[in-house]
Amino acid sequence: NAGVTQTPKFRILKIGQSMTLQCTQDMNHNYMYWYRQDPGMGLKLIYYSVGAGITDKGEVPNGYNVSRSTTEDFPLRLELAAPSQTSVYFCASSWSVERNTIYFGEGSWLTVV
Amino acid sequence: DAKTTQPTSMDCAEGRAANLPCNHSTISGNEYVYWYRQIHSQGPQYIIHGLKNNETNEMASLIITEDRKSSTLILPHATLRDTAVYYCIVRVETSYDKVIFGPGTSLSVIP
Repeated sequence: NAGVTQTPKFRILKIGQSMTLQCTQDMNHNYMYWYRQDPGMGLKLIYYSVGAGITDKGEVPNGYNVSRSTTEDFPLRLELAAPSQTSVYFCASSWSVERNTIYFGEGSWLTVV
Repeated sequence: DAKTTQPTSMDCAEGRAANLPCNHSTISGNEYVYWYRQIHSQGPQYIIHGLKNNETNEMASLIITEDRKSSTLILPHATLRDTAVYYCIVRVETSYDKVIFGPGTSLSVIP
């Protein structure tokens, strides 16, 4: 089982550029999440989704957009990248029933210069 | 906001038990206590969860007080590889809510 897969692992962006962080899970989970983690800090929820076609804002959604067209995929879009978006981004997923254990991807390191 | 409070950091001698406390005084009757840990630069990893009974698995034990307002994660024989940030969160087992992580406890296992 691949679990939660994120791409790319590392990326350097210039200020004002845009990019999409890809996330896919093969566990048929309904819930998916995007977190960011600044150096030495805790996890901050950006956006989450409870199923295909349903998304909602988390704690720090400004500067990001998401979509959920399929159960498997939950891409995170950065528009007009800013240095404040330099961070590690984690995608995660969990089941909707039985157990709510959250499974995390390995992270995507993004630097905006 | 996170519904839990944890100490910022703790030290533990290698081979000894590490006891990590968590306060969740506003926990609701249908909320479970979950523990995760994050080893440097990796994605957080699930450890254990429970509702009101004590739980044990191959990684750790979870002790929840009778009033459920606090809990303790126990790593029975800490190793250097247990050095990590440990997060305690509370949530309903089948909830649709967003999952908020607090700052966690940074555990350092000392040789």
